Amino acid sequence: SQTIHQWPATLVQPVGSPLSLECTVEGTSNPNLYWYRQAAGRGLQLLFYSVGIGQISSEVPQNLSASRPQDRQFILSSKKLLLSDSGFYLCAWRTGTEAFFGQGTRLTVV
Amino acid sequence: AQSVTQLGSHVSVSEGALVLLRCNYSSSVPPYLFWYVQYPNQGLQLLLKYTSAATLVKGINGFEAEFKKSETSFHLTKPSAHMSDAAEYFCAVSEAGTALIFGKGTTLSVSS
Repeated sequence: SQTIHQWPATLVQPVGSPLSLECTVEGTSNPNLYWYRQAAGRGLQLLFYSVGIGQISSEVPQNLSASRPQDRQFILSSKKLLLSDSGFYLCAWRTGTEAFFGQGTRLTVV
Repeated sequence: AQSVTQLGSHVSVSEGALVLLRCNYSSSVPPYLFWYVQYPNQGLQLLLKYTSAATLVKGINGFEAEFKKSETSFHLTKPSAHMSDAAEYFCAVSEAGTALIFGKGTTLSVSS
């Protein structure tokens, strides 16, 4: 069966520090992968999506970047975190009519 | 461009009462529609989805939704609310294989 792993579950980072969130998928090949950010009262905002290795599309200009070094691995990064980067980050994969989400990472920038 | 509007950011019902969460969508192509539930500090769990088959879709935990093309709606209902239904609910729209576009969510509160 298909599963999606996302870590860490929670993270507290100081302003200006780097960030790396990792997402891996099992049980499927060549999935479309997505990073979303959820802020209170604002729903889920699509940040990045990838249709294959090395292919990244950005939906919103920001302080973050994404990479897909392997077929089933999707990484969200930042060189220097801002306070406004705090939020709940969700990784998702999509194939055909199915869409599954990871358990999320609660990022607090202090 | 696709979009989703969830009417009511907060809905309160009594235990045993009907649950109705509203969702209207905009799409230039036949859409795929989803409802997800989120419990605090957790990911999203799929409740049900519409993928151009039956217009009345039954999901988990007794929820169902009806796709009404003429009204561009996909409202979520449950005949009798349970305390465990208290959570945040998201409606989403997409085309096949593309990113899901979400509404802003509706928080459901259930009182005894």
